[in-house]
Amino acid sequence: NAGVTQTPKFRVLKTGQSMTLLCAQDMNHEYMYWYRQDPGMGLRLIHYSVGEGTTAKGEVPDGYNVSRLKKQNFLLGLESAAPSQTSVYFCASSPRASGDRYEQYFGPGTRLTVT
Amino acid sequence: SQQGEEDPQALSIQEGENATMNCSYKTSINNLQWYRQNSGRGLVHLILIRSNEREKHSGRLRVTLDTSKKSSSLLITASRAADTASYFCATGAGSYQLTFGKGTKLSVIP
Repeated sequence: NAGVTQTPKFRVLKTGQSMTLLCAQDMNHEYMYWYRQDPGMGLRLIHYSVGEGTTAKGEVPDGYNVSRLKKQNFLLGLESAAPSQTSVYFCASSPRASGDRYEQYFGPGTRLTVT
Repeated sequence: SQQGEEDPQALSIQEGENATMNCSYKTSINNLQWYRQNSGRGLVHLILIRSNEREKHSGRLRVTLDTSKKSSSLLITASRAADTASYFCATGAGSYQLTFGKGTKLSVIP
């Protein structure tokens, strides 16, 4: 089991460029999430998905779009990157909640710099 | 907005000592979780406590929850250098979404 994987690990973009971050999980989890982590800010939820074909906005969705065409993949897109989007991006997944199974499983992160 | 707030922001202890970090939150929850993040890595789930529980143990970890005070504490006993990491509390009000705090950075000095 690879768990949650993220591609790429690092990326540098110029302002205005676009890119897509890919998240994949092999645990057959229903729920998937994209967070950003900034120094002193903890993790903030960007978008999430409760199942294939469904997505919803989190706390800081502006400037990002997402898609979940397959259950195992969750894509995060930046259409026109801005320096304020410089951050570390984490993808996570979790199973349908039952009993104590509320925990989220995180990928290793993507470090994005926008110049 | 952040739901959980950890205290202290940073903690430095000697190996073998106990480490205690606290988390306060604002709204009703059905569970509270603690995660660890080693430098440059993703978060790893440590322990979950449900709103109807007061204390839970897992190895060297002990978590308490006081819903009347909207607070939780994480105790790591007999700390090791490998425990050096940032620790985050996360609160859940439903079946999937979590809200994370800003974290406590723990340094364990050998």
